[in-house]
Amino acid sequence: AQTVTQSQPEMSVQEAETVTLSCTYDTSESDYYLFWYKQPPSRQMILVIRQEAYKQQNATENRFSVNFQKAAKSFSLKISDSQLGDAAMYFCAYTDNDMRFGAGTRLTVKP
Amino acid sequence: DTGVSQDPRHKITKRGQNVTFRCDPISEHNRLYWYRQTLGQGPEFLTYFQNEAQLEKSRLLSDRFSAERPKGSFSTLEIQRTEQGDSAMYLCASSPTQGIPGANVLTFGAGSRLTVL
Repeated sequence: AQTVTQSQPEMSVQEAETVTLSCTYDTSESDYYLFWYKQPPSRQMILVIRQEAYKQQNATENRFSVNFQKAAKSFSLKISDSQLGDAAMYFCAYTDNDMRFGAGTRLTVKP
Repeated sequence: DTGVSQDPRHKITKRGQNVTFRCDPISEHNRLYWYRQTLGQGPEFLTYFQNEAQLEKSRLLSDRFSAERPKGSFSTLEIQRTEQGDSAMYLCASSPTQGIPGANVLTFGAGSRLTVL
């Protein structure tokens, strides 16, 4: 079974600074998708960014970008110019059919 | 379309009672997923449907759990003889057909929180 590992239970960043959240996964598939989802306190899960495994170019969405290393099975999320509203649980997810999630990283943004 | 709807948002029940949750996906989405999330953890996959067919079930889905999607639209998740360990947030998500833009992207509902006393 595919597994997703987030080794950082908690991270903290100063407002306006940059933070990187780590994620590794295990799979024998060559075609799959990777995601970062954000879950603010008591609110629903929303998509932050998506990466197709067949694409070598790293995905970018405004202040959010990923570093996708397929051979290393690594998929980190970089948040630039952190804002107070970025504070949330961040989940890395993998799918080649059904979606599996990591345990999450709680991000705190300090003003 | 207002997104994925789940009902009820909160359910408090006594151990041994049966509970049922409903999920209404985005109308053009043919895939529907159920997840369970406990506090401070990531969502755990329970099952998913493509149209009315239940294609995969997790080992987490014991025989007390049953999910249906009879007409390929809304889905229900029933838990029989609830136990305190069933207390969790039950999340529903949906996604479009494979092969079209946005496929594999799950849109989540707000969840149904179950508390078993």
